[in-house]
Amino acid sequence: KNQVEQSPQSLIILEGKNCTLQCNYTVSPFSNLRWYKQDTGRGPVSLTIMTFSENTKSNGRYTATLDADTKQSSLHITASQLSDSASYICVVRLNTGFQKLVFGTGTRLLVSP
Amino acid sequence: DTGVSQDPRHKITKRGQNVTFRCDPISEHNRLYWYRQTLGQGPEFLTYFQNEAQLEKSRLLSDRFSAERPKGSFSTLEIQRTEQGDSAMYLCASATGGVASTDTQYFGPGTRLTVL
Repeated sequence: KNQVEQSPQSLIILEGKNCTLQCNYTVSPFSNLRWYKQDTGRGPVSLTIMTFSENTKSNGRYTATLDADTKQSSLHITASQLSDSASYICVVRLNTGFQKLVFGTGTRLLVSP
Repeated sequence: DTGVSQDPRHKITKRGQNVTFRCDPISEHNRLYWYRQTLGQGPEFLTYFQNEAQLEKSRLLSDRFSAERPKGSFSTLEIQRTEQGDSAMYLCASATGGVASTDTQYFGPGTRLTVL
């Protein structure tokens, strides 16, 4: 079964601190992996996209890594800000006809002042 | 704002009523997706359109659900005889191009449905 699991479920950190979110997937056939940020009551917004051959990709203070051998990804947030408080969802795209997305349940991050 | 709009943003209805949601994708995007998201969960795929053709439907889409994209632009999702289990956020996403694997799906803000 195609699954994407994320940890931790929730996380509280102090403003200015760094954190790392984890994603493990059992999805086949794999096309690419994305991290989305979802603010409460809003739709998800794409942060990074990585294909099979990419190990790391950065978007400002967000850095995503991908290990396709172990089927693991991480999202590292540097120098957190209050506006980083959101759910972060790991999404794997299947290499099928219509490119179905399989979503994780997300990590809920709260950045505290 | 991603450029994808959904209407209404919130809908409260009584069990047994019909509801219809609308999604306006980014204008040049030919691909459109509907997802359902319940509290604390990631979005789940419901259906996919390429232009006006509905090419894929999830088993989650029971016969009470119907989606259309009549002119290949906006799309509607109708739920007939709503049940309390239909309460969720309904998300629409659009993308451009063919099946290029790195094209991003842009999500709308969602329609939150509450069935009383």
